[in-house]
Amino acid sequence: DIQMTQSPSFVSASVGDRVTITCRASQGIGSWLAWYQQKPGKAPKLLIYSASSLQSGVPSRFSGSGSGTDFTLTISGLQPEDFATYYCQQANSFPLTFGQGTRLEIK
Amino acid sequence: QVQLQESGPGLVKPSQTLSLTCTVSGGSVTSDEYQWTWIRQSPGKGLEWIGYIYYSGSTSYNPSLKSRLTMSFDTSKNQFSLKVTAVTAADTAVYYCARAPYGRMFFDPWGQGTLVTVSS
Repeated sequence: DIQMTQSPSFVSASVGDRVTITCRASQGIGSWLAWYQQKPGKAPKLLIYSASSLQSGVPSRFSGSGSGTDFTLTISGLQPEDFATYYCQQANSFPLTFGQGTRLEIK
Repeated sequence: QVQLQESGPGLVKPSQTLSLTCTVSGGSVTSDEYQWTWIRQSPGKGLEWIGYIYYSGSTSYNPSLKSRLTMSFDTSKNQFSLKVTAVTAADTAVYYCARAPYGRMFFDPWGQGTLVTVSS
């Protein structure tokens, strides 16, 4: 199975800050990577797919980059509604796997 | 706009079978454009992909669960379902159904999720 490792596991930031979350795959996955946002008690929501494509309806302050084994999710200009947990997911090979999550909290 | 909704018992006894249904509205489970998926989330294991079913009836299951899984459709009700046999406490989780475009396993949308607890 492909292991997905996110860092950091926890980040504290302020409204307006720029935050970057990293996801590393245990083997190359091309651009077959997605990012999700999850708020307490809710289902994950797709933000980014194919490493850098913004899902329809998602604000442009979210962006993704990377290929192969190293990927980043950047949130530029944090808004109060962005404080949540973020997960990466590889879609390159079965079984599909997720990162352990990065919790973004208000400083 | 397509919406998914999970339903099923919230409590299952150990060694019994967990059965869940996902009802799809605003879209058809017979579409060849999508793969209908189950994912679960537990505090101990995080998000875990369970498997998917395609309109043709073909399936792909997580090898860690494969021997205990069955997925199927009820096209008359526009639903797909999940059965997990011989459950243990390790199967306690929030279970989500989700849709993925065929050949691109990115999940959107998701159902709201349903908590299943395995306990006697």
